[in-house]
Amino acid sequence: EVQLVESGGGLVQPGGSLRLSCTASGFAFISYEMNWVRQAPGKGLEWLSYISSSAGAIFYADSVKGRFTISRDNAKSSLFLQMNSLRAEDTALYYCARYSDYAEDALDLWGQGTLVTVSS
Amino acid sequence: QSVLTQPPSVSAAAGQKVTISCSGSSSNIGNNYVSWYQQLPGMAPKLLIYDNNKRPSGIPDRFSGSKSGTSATLGITGLQTGDEADYYCGTWDRSLSAVVFGGGTQLTVL
Repeated sequence: EVQLVESGGGLVQPGGSLRLSCTASGFAFISYEMNWVRQAPGKGLEWLSYISSSAGAIFYADSVKGRFTISRDNAKSSLFLQMNSLRAEDTALYYCARYSDYAEDALDLWGQGTLVTVSS
Repeated sequence: QSVLTQPPSVSAAAGQKVTISCSGSSSNIGNNYVSWYQQLPGMAPKLLIYDNNKRPSGIPDRFSGSKSGTSATLGITGLQTGDEADYYCGTWDRSLSAVVFGGGTQLTVL
């Protein structure tokens, strides 16, 4: 089955760190560009970061630049998001999403999300 | 404050048609393809429309997309209660070097 499964979410104190993982299966992960997108409770989608298939190109949203780091391990079909200096406003459901290889700038496969709660 | 502007909510009767607008600028919609996503309650988003007006396999032709200048529109005909969801437009923004989404539109089928 073609799918993305996120993990690593949880409760963390403000100023703390967390590392999210996204494991891909059913497709050639190495060939795909990947993204992280989050959704705060009751709010809309917010794109966070992009990484190319070889990790040669990386982009971040201004809201997380300097605090979050995206990376990938193609040998393990895994995507990561290292989150440091977490704030209350980072509380959200975090999705990994695959860039389509047949469409321009379209996210054609999403995981089910992992919940991050930043609170003391 | 989202880069792309969508109406917060729309509603229409079952069986009718509804359109959802998405307004941007030359740095995003004006020079890039637009995608639309459907998020059913409690679920992850799902790609509904890509490349402005194309449907992925499995998406019924009741869903359509169009783009003109710096705006895009999602159309849904033959509304069903199962279409009640949040709908988001998205594209790449060249100035921001970022994926940008609209704020989302909640569809209610009366």
